[in-house]
Amino acid sequence: EAQVTQNPRYLITVTGKKLTVTCSQNMNHEYMSWYRQDPGLGLRQIYYSMNVEVTDKGDVPEGYKVSRKEKRNFPLILESPSPNQTSLYFCASSLWPLREQYFGPGTRLTVT
Amino acid sequence: KNEVEQSPQNLTAQEGEFITINCSYSVGISALHWLQQHPGGGIVSLFMLSSGKKKHGRLIATINIQEKHSSLHITASHPRDSAVYICAVRPYSGGGADGLTFGKGTHLIIQP
Repeated sequence: EAQVTQNPRYLITVTGKKLTVTCSQNMNHEYMSWYRQDPGLGLRQIYYSMNVEVTDKGDVPEGYKVSRKEKRNFPLILESPSPNQTSLYFCASSLWPLREQYFGPGTRLTVT
Repeated sequence: KNEVEQSPQNLTAQEGEFITINCSYSVGISALHWLQQHPGGGIVSLFMLSSGKKKHGRLIATINIQEKHSSLHITASHPRDSAVYICAVRPYSGGGADGLTFGKGTHLIIQP
């Protein structure tokens, strides 16, 4: 089954404790991206990747890192999480940027 | 700065009614996406279009590139159409790789 998976789905952590949210797709898609969704602000793009080893900043990259060492995986790294990074995070992939996006189920992160 | 405005923000209608959700944007784009987000958070891509009109079942999406405007129509609405509908645009950059900018969404409730 074609899908985008994210782990964990829910995470409560404390300020400053490094964490990684994994994202994996099984559709051989070139393009992957990370978004955060906050009440009143909607969805905002954090980072995206056109291909292996090619990443670029979205609208809200501060406090986040990404890597794309393999085509299927695009982890989101929070080196030192802060409470303002409490949010709902979505990973998405598509064959090319100008194609339909497939979204993961979301990761609800709480930083206390 | 690219702005994406959706209207209305909230819409409550009776089952069977014809629904229209509007999206306006401020810059030239490569593509426009319509997304659906059900309670519980999952996001599904409904349409991606760069010109004209697309139809899928009871859903119709149109775009007017000159006027920088798109509409999503739902015919014979049903309570299962209740969801948040999100418009997203990809600004034109030549390579088509720029990130998506999202509207804040339209919260639709269809009452039986």
